[in-house]
Amino acid sequence: SQKIEQNSEALNIQEGKTATLTCNYTNYSPAYLQWYRQDPGRGPVFLLLIRENEKEKRKERLKVTFDTTLKQSLFHITASQPADSATYLCALDRAAGNKLTFGGGTRVLVKP
Amino acid sequence: SAVISQKPSRDICQRGTSLTIQCQVDSQVTMMFWYRQQPGQSLTLIATANQGSEATYESGFVIDKFPISRPNLTFSTLTVSNMSPEDSSIYLCSVQIRRVNRDEQFFGPGTRLTVL
Repeated sequence: SQKIEQNSEALNIQEGKTATLTCNYTNYSPAYLQWYRQDPGRGPVFLLLIRENEKEKRKERLKVTFDTTLKQSLFHITASQPADSATYLCALDRAAGNKLTFGGGTRVLVKP
Repeated sequence: SAVISQKPSRDICQRGTSLTIQCQVDSQVTMMFWYRQQPGQSLTLIATANQGSEATYESGFVIDKFPISRPNLTFSTLTVSNMSPEDSSIYLCSVQIRRVNRDEQFFGPGTRLTVL
């Protein structure tokens, strides 16, 4: 069956360091992979999208890599700030129907 | 972008009753979805709300339990029927907007449902 796995353990990190989150998937051939941020009591907010033929994508302090051989995406927050504390979700976009399937999310806590 | 509002934002309901959640978008959209997020879990797609036709349900979700209406391109409702405590969850409306290179997805703030 299809699976998307993110580290369920919270990631505690010191302000200024780089946070690295992992998203692994099996039995998928996604057209692209997306990363979302979700704050408590709110809906997810889109951050970045990376296509299957792209290796890396950057947006300000965020960087996403996509390895279709390893079936893995890494999400990096550089120079992390306490305001980056949130849950980060990866989602795969199936080519047919454009329906998103979400991973379980990883909670990040940046300590000052 | 799209601004999405949901009503109610939260509710506490008794077992066996039904609750209808409304989703309003500030622009016309073709694709609208309903998700569920159970406590500590990720989002699970319930159905695609189709304008002018019956909703398309994902595996494990049925119309009798989660009837959906989509009367126009800016509005949809999801009803949680004959509720049980297992239905306690956050229910999220989402829309997809077509861009040049890809489709962009936006989420509403969610409706937090507690069933006693």
